[in-house]
Amino acid sequence: AQTVTQSQPEMSVQEAETVTLSCTYDTSESDYYLFWYKQPPSRQMILVIRQEAYKQQNATENRFSVNFQKAAKSFSLKISDSQLGDAAMYFCAYRSAWYGGSQGNLIFGKGTKLSVKP
Amino acid sequence: DGGITQSPKYLFRKEGQNVTLSCEQNLNHDAMYWYRQDPGQGLRLIYYSQIVNDFQKGDIAEGYSVSREKKESFPLTVTSAQKNPTAFYLCASSIESGFQTDTQYFGPGTRLTVL
Repeated sequence: AQTVTQSQPEMSVQEAETVTLSCTYDTSESDYYLFWYKQPPSRQMILVIRQEAYKQQNATENRFSVNFQKAAKSFSLKISDSQLGDAAMYFCAYRSAWYGGSQGNLIFGKGTKLSVKP
Repeated sequence: DGGITQSPKYLFRKEGQNVTLSCEQNLNHDAMYWYRQDPGQGLRLIYYSQIVNDFQKGDIAEGYSVSREKKESFPLTVTSAQKNPTAFYLCASSIESGFQTDTQYFGPGTRLTVL
């Protein structure tokens, strides 16, 4: 079974600085997606970024970028120029690209709580 | 505006009662999902549906039931058989194409509390 591990329960960053959140996963599949979701105090899950496993190029979305290391099964999120609105829980998630594997379920890590200091 | 709506935002249940959580989407997505979130935990899958009139159990389906009579709607019933239903419930949907999966988008959630 696939697992997702976030080893940092809490992180803190100064406003305007850069922070990296770690995520590792375990799978025997070769075709899958990885995601970072943000959950602010409102508790709605908001997609931050998505990475397809077959793409070697790391995904970027404005101030958010990932470091995807497929062989190491590592998927870290870098937030540049941190803003107060970035404060939230961040969840790393895995999903098989095909319903034949793990039924296409999203598998979540336990999350990292990010605080941003003004 | 396209999106996923969940109602109510807060729900209180007495012991022994069944309650139904609503989830509606106007994104024309094929697949819909229900997740449960407990404090300090990630999300766990309760049920999912890839197509109208069909749904599958997830990892923690016991004590829950669903229906999928319309593409836009996927209500979740928390039955009295669910021993610890107090949690935050999130509905999600995604475009699916055959056997290929895609990104899931989430609604705002429902907080259920057992009195």
